[in-house]
Amino acid sequence: EAQVTQNPRYLITVTGKKLTVTCSQNMNHEYMSWYRQDPGLGLRQIYYSMNVEVTDKGDVPEGYKVSRKEKRNFPLILESPSPNQTSLYFCASSLGDGLYEQYFGPGTRLTVT
Amino acid sequence: GQNIDQPTEMTATEGAIVQINCTYQTSGFNGLFWYQQHAGEAPTFLSYNVLDGLEEKGRFSSFLSRSKGYSYLLLKELQMKDSASYLCAVRDSNYQLIWGAGTKLIIKP
Repeated sequence: EAQVTQNPRYLITVTGKKLTVTCSQNMNHEYMSWYRQDPGLGLRQIYYSMNVEVTDKGDVPEGYKVSRKEKRNFPLILESPSPNQTSLYFCASSLGDGLYEQYFGPGTRLTVT
Repeated sequence: GQNIDQPTEMTATEGAIVQINCTYQTSGFNGLFWYQQHAGEAPTFLSYNVLDGLEEKGRFSSFLSRSKGYSYLLLKELQMKDSASYLCAVRDSNYQLIWGAGTKLIIKP
């Protein structure tokens, strides 16, 4: 089954404790992206990647890091989480350079206390 | 700045028709997407418009007017399962996606 998977689905952590949210897709998509979704604000892009070893900042990259060492994986790293990073996070992938529809993972609900 | 406007919430009756509007002001235009998002779930793709006119796909249709910076999503024969948020997203001249905040659609029996 073609899908995007994310782990964990739910995470409660404390300020400053490094964490990684994994994202994996099995559709051989070149383009992958991370979003955060907050009430009333819509989806905001954090980082995106056009292909392996190619990443770029989105609209709200501060406090986040990513890497793309393999085509299928695109982990999101929070080196020192803060309460304002409490949000719902989605990973997405698509064919080509993002011109096509995106397939979203199930989401990760992160709470930073 | 870049902006996409959608109504925050709409209510409709099962079996009826509803139109969800989206207006945009972006730096260039390279296509408009509609996604459906049920509460607590991931967005799923509904439609894509890049040329003016109406695209029909079953009970859902999407319309685009580039000169007016306007699109709408038309849902016919509403079903209870259509209760969801509907997200409008525009790709700008840099091919970046700009997302609206979404319209929450409530279907009543």
